[in-house]
Amino acid sequence: DSGVTQTPKHLITATGQRVTLRCSPRSGDLSVYWYQQSLDQGLQFLIQYYNGEERAKGNILERFSAQQFPDLHSELNLSSLELGDSALYFCASSVGRSSYNSPLHFGNGTRLTVT
Amino acid sequence: AQSVTQLDSHVSVSEGTPVLLRCNYSSSYSPSLFWYVQHPNKGLQLLLKYTSAATLVKGINGFEAEFKKSETSFHLTKPSAHMSDAAEYFCVVSPFGYNKLIFGAGTRLAVHP
Repeated sequence: DSGVTQTPKHLITATGQRVTLRCSPRSGDLSVYWYQQSLDQGLQFLIQYYNGEERAKGNILERFSAQQFPDLHSELNLSSLELGDSALYFCASSVGRSSYNSPLHFGNGTRLTVT
Repeated sequence: AQSVTQLDSHVSVSEGTPVLLRCNYSSSYSPSLFWYVQHPNKGLQLLLKYTSAATLVKGINGFEAEFKKSETSFHLTKPSAHMSDAAEYFCVVSPFGYNKLIFGAGTRLAVHP
């Protein structure tokens, strides 16, 4: 068990809808990362927050947004959902602000299915 | 440009035989390198990391990897495969100065009795 908790485990919704994915980092970790894993794209970095502030941005669509709250949990909001958004969404956390010297610990993911 | 190439998409071994999963990387500066494992319906688990200390890195579950700068490789090995090692393995590079992980495409390891 990595100590990173993601809810829900599964989510099935229709195109055009909006969903929120939630992540609680390991105790003591200040950084939260969001990744998307799909069969055709592999693992893609979406966004990172460190202690409540956005620190790095990857291939995140404008329809997606995230935030990190004062208690350090994070939410990823996906809106105007399309079929192609179906994927496994991972949250990861780390102690430091850089992945260079602070390994990431991943949750078990939220599997999103858009129908 | 920063990139990671896992040279085999699938590797199949018999239980008790050695495992070799190959990874080459491209990075402008001295990177940190990681191997992660993903079992079905699970998240990614850190196996080991290289951060410019010893070139031979020991990880969990008997895995180890050797950093070879001249060959820009970071191959993962295990002397004797176990059935529970069947999973997908990802080689990951974190380039210095870039706050992101770059994942390889993954190698699916099958272990046969």
